[in-house]
Amino acid sequence: SQQGEEDPQALSIQEGENATMNCSYKTSINNLQWYRQNSGRGLVHLILIRSNEREKHSGRLRVTLDTSKKSSSLLITASRAADTASYFCATLGGVQGAQKLVFGQGTRLTINP
Amino acid sequence: DTAVSQTPKYLVTQMGNDKSIKCEQNLGHDTMYWYKQDSKKFLKIMFSYNNKELIINETVPNRFSPKSPDKAHLNLHINSLELGDSAVYFCASSHNGGNTIYFGEGSWLTVV
Repeated sequence: SQQGEEDPQALSIQEGENATMNCSYKTSINNLQWYRQNSGRGLVHLILIRSNEREKHSGRLRVTLDTSKKSSSLLITASRAADTASYFCATLGGVQGAQKLVFGQGTRLTINP
Repeated sequence: DTAVSQTPKYLVTQMGNDKSIKCEQNLGHDTMYWYKQDSKKFLKIMFSYNNKELIINETVPNRFSPKSPDKAHLNLHINSLELGDSAVYFCASSHNGGNTIYFGEGSWLTVV
């Protein structure tokens, strides 16, 4: 069954505002990653947070991880029109040598100018 | 510089046909994948290969047959195409099966 669930499924905000997306997962993980997908394109890796980390920053991105609640959030600060895309969380788990990345259904983010 | 490239980008074909999607990566990675993204944007792993060896097969119908002639290539052949096979298929690669995965731009398959 699907590992991750993302909330909200769609988010529309004004340029300059912050956008927060949430992700929940079901099983133990090695790390959790966030990817962006622009319309009609492939997925691009944004940031990775390991299971023993609680928060990570990269530019305007801030990711938190709460393994006790099996949840993560992605915050994009000072949003720009170019941030319009779908955002996916993905969890890496499984046995060594056969690990796989399991994706949530994504959040469709629209930044209005 | 193309990291993970897959062809064709668009493919429209009739039910019952056989088609192939090719994928190549120039990142020197040893692990390659095929993912399927359905109309609801749900992305699911289909196969994973490490050094040409099949590692993960996610109960994909045997009409789907991946082939990895070398570490840099992972092709996907689909027999007897069905309407439900319509989706976007993404090839991807990573180093040693973990962490960051690099995706191709996708192949849009439409079965009519």
